[in-house]
Amino acid sequence: AQSVTQPDIHITVSEGASLELRCNYSYGATPYLFWYVQSPGQGLQLLLKYFSGDTLVQGIKGFEAEFKRSQSSFNLRKPSVHWSDAAEYFCAVGPLEYGNKLVFGAGTILRVKS
Amino acid sequence: DTGVSQNPRHKITKRGQNVTFRCDPISEHNRLYWYRQTLGQGPEFLTYFQNEAQLEKSRLLSDRFSAERPKGSFSTLEIQRTEQGDSAMYLCASSSVGTGSEANYGYTFGSGTRLTVV
Repeated sequence: AQSVTQPDIHITVSEGASLELRCNYSYGATPYLFWYVQSPGQGLQLLLKYFSGDTLVQGIKGFEAEFKRSQSSFNLRKPSVHWSDAAEYFCAVGPLEYGNKLVFGAGTILRVKS
Repeated sequence: DTGVSQNPRHKITKRGQNVTFRCDPISEHNRLYWYRQTLGQGPEFLTYFQNEAQLEKSRLLSDRFSAERPKGSFSTLEIQRTEQGDSAMYLCASSSVGTGSEANYGYTFGSGTRLTVV
């Protein structure tokens, strides 16, 4: 079955520092991969997605992610974190079957300290 | 377009009561999804519609849960005889079916309905 693992439940970084959030997936074929962000009490906002082509994808708010097939990973990165980036981040994989459902990881809560 | 709208935003109910949530998708989107998110977890798929047809239901959707999408527009999710384990955020999302896979994953999520069963 498809699954997504986000190994870090919480991460704390200083404002201005770089950020990397880890995501590993289990899927039998080439997946579609996504990163979403969720602020408290809010819905999910898409940061970026990977379908094919260049394995380094750029997203909104200065985020990028790199697809590494050999490691089954799709880690999210940002070179300089801002206090407003504090939120919960979810990695998701899209199974290649009718319905285009998403399977989400458990999320990583990002805290930014000033 | 105001995006995906969910009502109510919060609902507190007593165990055993029935509750109904509403989702208004983006008007041109023909697919509508319901997900459930419990504390400390990512969203889990519950069910989805294409137009008015409910095409798939997760095994998470017990017999106490029912979803409808009359006329292929808004959708309702009803939970009968609520249990404390039903406490969660219920998220709705919509998308359009396009000619390519990328279009099919153009989800827009609503802000969710947070249900608390006491």
